[in-house]
Amino acid sequence: NAGVTQTPKFRVLKTGQSMTLLCAQDMNHEYMYWYRQDPGMGLRLIHYSVGEGTTAKGEVPDGYNVSRLKKQNFLLGLESAAPSQTSVYFCASSYPRTSGGITDTQYFGPGTRLTVL
Amino acid sequence: KNEVEQSPQNLTAQEGEFITINCSYSVGISALHWLQQHPGGGIVSLFMLSSGKKKHGRLIATINIQEKHSSLHITASHPRDSAVYICAVSRRGATGKLIFGQGTTLQVKP
Repeated sequence: NAGVTQTPKFRVLKTGQSMTLLCAQDMNHEYMYWYRQDPGMGLRLIHYSVGEGTTAKGEVPDGYNVSRLKKQNFLLGLESAAPSQTSVYFCASSYPRTSGGITDTQYFGPGTRLTVL
Repeated sequence: KNEVEQSPQNLTAQEGEFITINCSYSVGISALHWLQQHPGGGIVSLFMLSSGKKKHGRLIATINIQEKHSSLHITASHPRDSAVYICAVSRRGATGKLIFGQGTTLQVKP
């Protein structure tokens, strides 16, 4: 049981290049999230998914796209990387409770450190 | 003003000291989470609570819903407790999404 895994762990891009970050979870969680973490800013939600085939925008979605073709995978794409996207990216997943809108614990991946030159 | 505020931002303690980190929020919530992030490491959920108090080992989390305030206490602190502690809330009705505080960086010196 690996929990939440992220690929790659580190990446350096040049401005304008594209890349995809992969998140995988083996806990059969419905909900998955992509966050970015910047110094002094805390964690900010980029996009999230409440189930296979669904995605929604978070707080800072511009410049990113996502896909959830399979329940266990959540992909984050950067079509044309910019230096402002230099950050540490975390994926998380959770299994929501069925009533009251109470969110269950989120399980985080180890993070991907991305540098855009 | 941030919807989730933590204090202090930075905290240095001597080994063995009792530590308190505070979190205040301004929105209606269904749950509050405390997370831990070690330097260069991943993020681990410590507690999720919607009322009262929870305890796990030397860690205690409390929440006062009326005052919109939570505290994380560490008893008999140890250098391995050095980490960033993050408070986050699940906004009522916004299932799944968390609003995060900026984190409190704790250093425990031997």
